[in-house]
Amino acid sequence: GAVVSQHPSWVICKSGTSVKIECRSLDFQATTMFWYRQFPKQSLMLMATSNEGSKATYEQGVEKDKFLINHASLTLSTLTVTSAHPEDSSFYICSAEVTGTSSYEQYFGPGTRLTVT
Amino acid sequence: KQEVTQIPAALSVPEGENLVLNCSFTDSAIYNLQWFRQDPGKGLTSLLLIQSSQREQTSGRLNASLDKSSGRSTLYIAASQPGDSATYLCAVRPDSSYKLIFGSGTRLLVRP
Repeated sequence: GAVVSQHPSWVICKSGTSVKIECRSLDFQATTMFWYRQFPKQSLMLMATSNEGSKATYEQGVEKDKFLINHASLTLSTLTVTSAHPEDSSFYICSAEVTGTSSYEQYFGPGTRLTVT
Repeated sequence: KQEVTQIPAALSVPEGENLVLNCSFTDSAIYNLQWFRQDPGKGLTSLLLIQSSQREQTSGRLNASLDKSSGRSTLYIAASQPGDSATYLCAVRPDSSYKLIFGSGTRLLVRP
């Protein structure tokens, strides 16, 4: 149980275009999902917290107009990188917190490798 | 501000050896601590979750301990195997926050 999927697993796009990444909790409901970014050989950096039915909360330094987050249902959150540039190339990972438990355990997706040319 | 440190940054051991990975955190006011495994180019796999009221958790060859007062956790791997080679990350969830704060990880290589 507690499986999180991401789609696509990798994507290459041209500079200036937008890319949407989906994060789904497959067998549980997630009121809260998180989006992370990871550079090579570095740890995860939290970008934003996504709450179902409300606006996302962005970490300091993360441009909300560039990284659009939508959490329209209890099983799906999307991250859209708008007007992508080569410096946006990175590994993006989402996680989901199981709703209705007190453990607050987060389950992570397999990640999406974004390359902007 | 909570900070999480993992030592060592990298570790290479021969197959069969027992090993310990260390994680320390600066603020003892945590709700829980998680250990994760990350293979190259992949997402994170949760290994063990320890609630603040617990002292340890075990799963197979893995044992994680938590000493909240001293701000330390260890991940013990028994009888290591080449398949254990990966980066191991620990993360704490502060009492006052819903966010996980990650350490920088320990890259483990188990040599056949």
